[in-house]
Amino acid sequence: RKEVEQDPGPFNVPEGATVAFNCTYSNSASQSFFWYRQDCRKEPKLLMSVYSSGNEDGRFTAQLNRASQYISLLIRDSKLSDSATYLCAVPRGSARQLTFGSGTQLTVLP
Amino acid sequence: NAGVTQTPKFRVLKTGQSMTLLCAQDMNHEYMYWYRQDPGMGLRLIHYSVGEGTTAKGEVPDGYNVSRLKKQNFLLGLESAAPSQTSVYFCASSHGRGYYGYTFGSGTRLTVV
Repeated sequence: RKEVEQDPGPFNVPEGATVAFNCTYSNSASQSFFWYRQDCRKEPKLLMSVYSSGNEDGRFTAQLNRASQYISLLIRDSKLSDSATYLCAVPRGSARQLTFGSGTQLTVLP
Repeated sequence: NAGVTQTPKFRVLKTGQSMTLLCAQDMNHEYMYWYRQDPGMGLRLIHYSVGEGTTAKGEVPDGYNVSRLKKQNFLLGLESAAPSQTSVYFCASSHGRGYYGYTFGSGTRLTVV
């Protein structure tokens, strides 16, 4: 089992839709989790951090399910500008370096 | 507010040539990282540093060397480039041990022919 796994998609949704992605992780001792957004040919940018059960920022909600070892990202009222690849990341190792999933591609259609 | 700056942005190398990628951060971060990103493989950690003068191997260190002589700079070297090292290289920095997100540089697109 990979340390961090994501459904690669693509997810194609109409504007205004609600869409959710899941990310499973293998290290049950992980304490913090991150969602990054990566636009085509750009660097990843931190979208949300999750340190406990969840986090909400505007239209974006991240939730943590420790029992099943997954984190989810919910995007409400999708905008065209939300089109991107969404990466989840989990710390591991002595220096807690981040391990990234392969990303989920989202396209919001007009 | 430069954040993390990578140079160069693009480079084409011939097999066997060497080069150094430079990463500079102005946020006084202790931790710095080099990742490579390939289609379908996600971001894979090459080397990282937990402070000035320290380096450690990541997931895919073979064929690369690093140095962190100054806190703000983290250099990635390719001694003898191979086509398998064609990739996009991202540098990142962080305050601390995985409890904070990373700030990434804009990447270096390297092609080895």
